[in-house]
Amino acid sequence: SQQGEEDPQALSIQEGENATMNCSYKTSINNLQWYRQNSGRGLVHLILIRSNEREKHSGRLRVTLDTSKKSSSLLITASRAADTASYFCGSGGSNYKLTFGKGTLLTVNP
Amino acid sequence: GAVVSQHPSWVICKSGTSVKIECRSLDFQATTMFWYRQFPKQSLMLMATSNEGSKATYEQGVEKDKFLINHASLTLSTLTVTSAHPEDSSFYICSAGGREARETQYFGPGTRLLVL
Repeated sequence: SQQGEEDPQALSIQEGENATMNCSYKTSINNLQWYRQNSGRGLVHLILIRSNEREKHSGRLRVTLDTSKKSSSLLITASRAADTASYFCGSGGSNYKLTFGKGTLLTVNP
Repeated sequence: GAVVSQHPSWVICKSGTSVKIECRSLDFQATTMFWYRQFPKQSLMLMATSNEGSKATYEQGVEKDKFLINHASLTLSTLTVTSAHPEDSSFYICSAGGREARETQYFGPGTRLLVL
């Protein structure tokens, strides 16, 4: 079955607000990765958090990982219209494989 | 970040023909490449994993004779959709990882296939 279920499925906010997306997975992982996809394009890697890490920052992004709950969250602070995209989490197991969830469609209104 | 290209970016073909999609890692050596399929507004479904110089590993339910994957070098993998049918129409995305990329996968821009 599909791992990495994101919620919400869709999120609409105003520019300047923070956006929080959550992700759950089912089996044990080596790492969890967040990606962004603009409509009709490939995925862009945002951030990787390893299974022994709890929190990681990169610019306006903050990712947390709770392995006891098999969940992760992505926070985008001070959102911009250019952040409008779909966001996917990928749970990383052995052999570099990633299993993706359904994604969250984020719309940032100017 | 690392750059992965895909060619062609879109293709329209007649039912019954075969289509080849190339995936290249431009500035790093990818020991592993992945092929995904994505339907509109849905997630990526992993089709197969290919390691340079060895046979691809296909996910359950993916026909290996229909989706031929070749990973001849550390910078090139190809996916050939054989005898394409309208239901094969989809967005195909490759990614590259391994070696210096380690766990991170770098994605190509995708190929949109329309089978008439």
